[in-house]
Amino acid sequence: DAGVIQSPRHEVTEMGQEVTLRCKPISGHDYLFWYRQTMMRGLELLIYFNNNVPIDDSGMPEDRFSAKMPNASFSTLKIQPSEPRDSAVYFCASSLYGAEKLFFGSGTQLSVL
Amino acid sequence: GQQLNQSPQSMFIQEGEDVSMNCTSSSIFNTWLWYKQEPGEGPVLLIALYKAGELTSNGRLTAQFGITRKDSFLNISASIPSDVGIYFCAGVYGGSQGNLIFGKGTKLSVKP
Repeated sequence: DAGVIQSPRHEVTEMGQEVTLRCKPISGHDYLFWYRQTMMRGLELLIYFNNNVPIDDSGMPEDRFSAKMPNASFSTLKIQPSEPRDSAVYFCASSLYGAEKLFFGSGTQLSVL
Repeated sequence: GQQLNQSPQSMFIQEGEDVSMNCTSSSIFNTWLWYKQEPGEGPVLLIALYKAGELTSNGRLTAQFGITRKDSFLNISASIPSDVGIYFCAGVYGGSQGNLIFGKGTKLSVKP
């Protein structure tokens, strides 16, 4: 398997623009997680899905953030409108067993100018 | 809320030296995990611990699940340059299968 695939690897955008991050989990994994990593706050869970259903979105910063999982092989994280404080590395991870044994993608480095 | 205190924040060691890092919390965890992150990549799972007192090895790495369930440590023996990276502890808590929090990481630098 190719592992968790995220795109794009890097995204530079201007404040106010819409940003869409994409993730393809490992085939057969029932859980998908979105994390954000910054120097100040470390790795923070934003939202996770089980069998394509959002289970806990309490980590989503505000209404500007939304995530979808239309099928078992694809998920998106959207920020609209983006702000400079959203600059971070966003990781997608998938697993068979919930929060244990997460397999992370390589991340999307987002810079909002 | 749940919080993990990971120390040290960073370490600069000579190749061949042993390394020790730990994670503590005021809360109880069901599972402890140790991940390694290299530049430009996502974290990779190194060791998973499921029972209080459990001691598990993965090559030169050894980790233990504290008896109180509130702490864990990771040891690396005979460090080599490719051990460079950021090591994260993570704890699974509560009943939900998504309840996982990460420590802030220990950045390891190894001088050849």
